[in-house]
Amino acid sequence: GESVGLHLPTLSVQEGDNSIINCAYSNSASDYFIWYKQESGKGPQFIIDIRSNMDKRQGQRVTVLLNKTVKHLSLQIAATQPGDSAVYFCAENRPGNTPLVFGKGTRLSVIA
Amino acid sequence: GAVVSQHPSRVICKSGTSVKIECRSLDFQATTMFWYRQFPKQSLMLMATSNEGSKATYEQGVEKDKFLINHASLTLSTLTVTSAHPEDSSFYICRAWEPNTQYFGPGTRLTVL
Repeated sequence: GESVGLHLPTLSVQEGDNSIINCAYSNSASDYFIWYKQESGKGPQFIIDIRSNMDKRQGQRVTVLLNKTVKHLSLQIAATQPGDSAVYFCAENRPGNTPLVFGKGTRLSVIA
Repeated sequence: GAVVSQHPSRVICKSGTSVKIECRSLDFQATTMFWYRQFPKQSLMLMATSNEGSKATYEQGVEKDKFLINHASLTLSTLTVTSAHPEDSSFYICRAWEPNTQYFGPGTRLTVL
């Protein structure tokens, strides 16, 4: 079933520093992972994804790392900016048109 | 531009009334639509999964007679909250899916007075 997060954990970082947001996923059969950013009052926005045959993928200022051994996913944001302040969710996707399973979410707060 | 749209973006209604929320995929044909609900400071909770032309599959604890889902075409799914009550106030989000493509809608904020 879907994860329910209560009282989201918060990560506070200074503007310009790097941010690392972690996520543990639940199913070893999951083959595709996605990080979403959700700003207040808006729907989730795709940031970056990674397939299970990779352990690292880089985008613009963002890097996703996948450790299948311990079922761990992380999102690294370089040179964090105030506009990065949002809630970040990881999601795991199992093969087929199955529902995404979401992590609990982490609120990133950037201190100017 | 938006790939998935939702209408309305915000709605305020009186208790006991019904509200319909539309989710449209604009650039692709969504064989599957997922509906989520999100309460403040919480993660997304899946309500139901609907495949075009089939009855929706509801998650445990979600009343199918209260949350009516219709997925009559590959580009449109609707969620109707019937006899809404204040506890139904939430952020409702759809996700449209086809193989290799999936996008969330922008969400609909429902407030029941």
